[in-house]
Amino acid sequence: SQQGEEDPQALSIQEGENATMNCSYKTSINNLQWYRQNSGRGLVHLILIRSNEREKHSGRLRVTLDTSKKSSSLLITASRAADTASYFCATAGPQGGSEKLVFGKGTKLTVNP
Amino acid sequence: NAGVMQNPRHLVRRRGQEARLRCSPMKGHSHVYWYRQLPEEGLKFMVYLQKENIIDESGMPKERFSAEFPKEGPSILRIQQVVRGDSAAYFCASSPNYLMNTEAFFGQGTRLTVV
Repeated sequence: SQQGEEDPQALSIQEGENATMNCSYKTSINNLQWYRQNSGRGLVHLILIRSNEREKHSGRLRVTLDTSKKSSSLLITASRAADTASYFCATAGPQGGSEKLVFGKGTKLTVNP
Repeated sequence: NAGVMQNPRHLVRRRGQEARLRCSPMKGHSHVYWYRQLPEEGLKFMVYLQKENIIDESGMPKERFSAEFPKEGPSILRIQQVVRGDSAAYFCASSPNYLMNTEAFFGQGTRLTVV
């Protein structure tokens, strides 16, 4: 079953605004990762946050993790038209004795110029 | 260091034919993962392999689908007797270590269309 669930499913904002996407998951994790996918392309890794971390920054990206609520958020500040893409959270951990990334359905972000 | 290479990028097969999708992981990566993505959906895990071994195939349909990662050469995802429902984008990813410790690197995908 799907582990991560992102919300909103779609988000449309103006250039310069901030975009916040949320992700919830169900089981214990070792880390949570955010990926970006441009239309018709492969996934690009953005940030990895470990279960013992609460916040992480990378350029205009800020990720938080609340393991008590089993949730994470991705904040993109000062958005640009080039940020238009789908964003996925994925959890990694020992699930059933094996490890793999389990993805949510994603948030489709549109940044209007 | 070239990224994860998948080929072909697009593949059209008639119902009943076989589809072979290839994935060359990044240099030094011994962990390979295959995912399937339907339009407007997230990625669904199919199989996780390390060199010559299938570690987890819990996401693979029991019939018609198989995967391998030989000692030499690319990883292959093979779909026999394709049906329309197999049409999707198939992504391969690789990592140098277990995903508890690192991110995965994805290829550009193979878009399979079954006609």
